[in-house]
Amino acid sequence: ETGVTQSPTHLIKTRGQQVTLRCSSQSGHNTVSWYQQALGQGPQFIFQYYREEENGRGNFPPRFSGLQFPNYSSELNVNALELDDSALYLCASSPGRLFEQYFGPGTRLTVT
Amino acid sequence: GNSVTQMEGPVTLSEEAFLTINCTYTATGYPSLFWYVQYPGEGLQLLLKATKADDKGSNKGFEATYRKETTSFHLEKGSVQVSDSAVYFCALSPGLDRGSTLGRLYFGRGTQLTVWP
Repeated sequence: ETGVTQSPTHLIKTRGQQVTLRCSSQSGHNTVSWYQQALGQGPQFIFQYYREEENGRGNFPPRFSGLQFPNYSSELNVNALELDDSALYLCASSPGRLFEQYFGPGTRLTVT
Repeated sequence: GNSVTQMEGPVTLSEEAFLTINCTYTATGYPSLFWYVQYPGEGLQLLLKATKADDKGSNKGFEATYRKETTSFHLEKGSVQVSDSAVYFCALSPGLDRGSTLGRLYFGRGTQLTVWP
């Protein structure tokens, strides 16, 4: 069984640009959550998608947006990148909102 | 609100030493509690969990007991190995709480553990 995968592994962008990160959820999982982990910090919840609908959002501005597709894979889009957006972005999938979350390896985003 | 506080690191131990990493929480509902581990350059792996008061989670020699009276979930291991060197995160999920996204995880800041041979 394939676990949660994320792409790309690393990314370097310039301030003001836009970026799209991708996540393939584990087979049978209909819930995907995104987290931002700044260096030396714990992961912070960005938002969650459940059956293609945004199901909840953390304290992140609207320039952070997402999608979930019919196969339950997901995208995280960040517009107007700022230096503080440099972080490890983690995707987690689960077979339902009350179930254990399985994390992908993350995408390391650097904004210069 | 919901939050997790972990002891500050880094923690440095010799192989076979006893490990304790303290974790306390604040929650508005009846949370589930978790310990995750992050090895260098990798994502998070679930180490153990407990879903109700007095439950003990255990895995790979690690243990943690859900203590509602002290709002704590301290991680322990009797004899650490070099391969246990990683960052450990305590986390909670509030469960059925109207004020929070179902299944959302709240993490502590992490504790870096280094074990020397």
